[in-house]
Amino acid sequence: GAVVSQHPSRVICKSGTSVKIECRSLDFQATTMFWYRQFPKQSLMLMATSNEGSKATYEQGVEKDKFLINHASLTLSTLTVTSAHPEDSSFYICSARVGVGETQYFGPGTRLLVL
Amino acid sequence: AQKITQTQPGMFVQEKEAVTLDCTYDTSDPSYGLFWYKQPSSGEMIFLIYQGSYDQQNATEGRYSLNFQKARKSANLVISASQLGDSAMYFCAMREGQRNTGFQKLVFGTGTRLLVSP
Repeated sequence: GAVVSQHPSRVICKSGTSVKIECRSLDFQATTMFWYRQFPKQSLMLMATSNEGSKATYEQGVEKDKFLINHASLTLSTLTVTSAHPEDSSFYICSARVGVGETQYFGPGTRLLVL
Repeated sequence: AQKITQTQPGMFVQEKEAVTLDCTYDTSDPSYGLFWYKQPSSGEMIFLIYQGSYDQQNATEGRYSLNFQKARKSANLVISASQLGDSAMYFCAMREGQRNTGFQKLVFGTGTRLLVSP
């Protein structure tokens, strides 16, 4: 099956700093990648859809200036949480779609803790 | 309005028994896709099975099968011969948006925690 990696797997940072999370498709080219956020004991909420070479499409209520998404190549998308605050602490998980296929394959997720 | 409903917050099953996890959905789009994902405690989301709205037969993948009842808008996951390793959260999801475009996205249910006992 398609493999998606994320780095780092967990990160602890101070309030006010920025954190970059990478999402890579390892064995396929992903024209579309998705970024989700999951709070403890809750479901996944889509934050944004990222298409290679174009601006990301953000879901309602997600601040585009706070959550910067860059999809510079067909195998890499990055999410940067700018000026992180404790309320940004969450589990961030990306997924990638294989071409025009239906299925999204997920990365292992990144646990962010902002102190 | 909630588009994916999973009414079972938790389910228990004994090893080697079969278990059904419920999922109902709401959409007016004639074309949609339904997915089940497994999320163990490590957090990764593992794709299990997919059902397209136009598929004539119920999807099956090994021990997983999807009981698709279109008129009732339900897409229940059936796990046969449960194993201890099946203990995890299970999420039902629906594809929204136009298929084969960059605009499709998944909407997830609230999940069901399955615990398999020896």
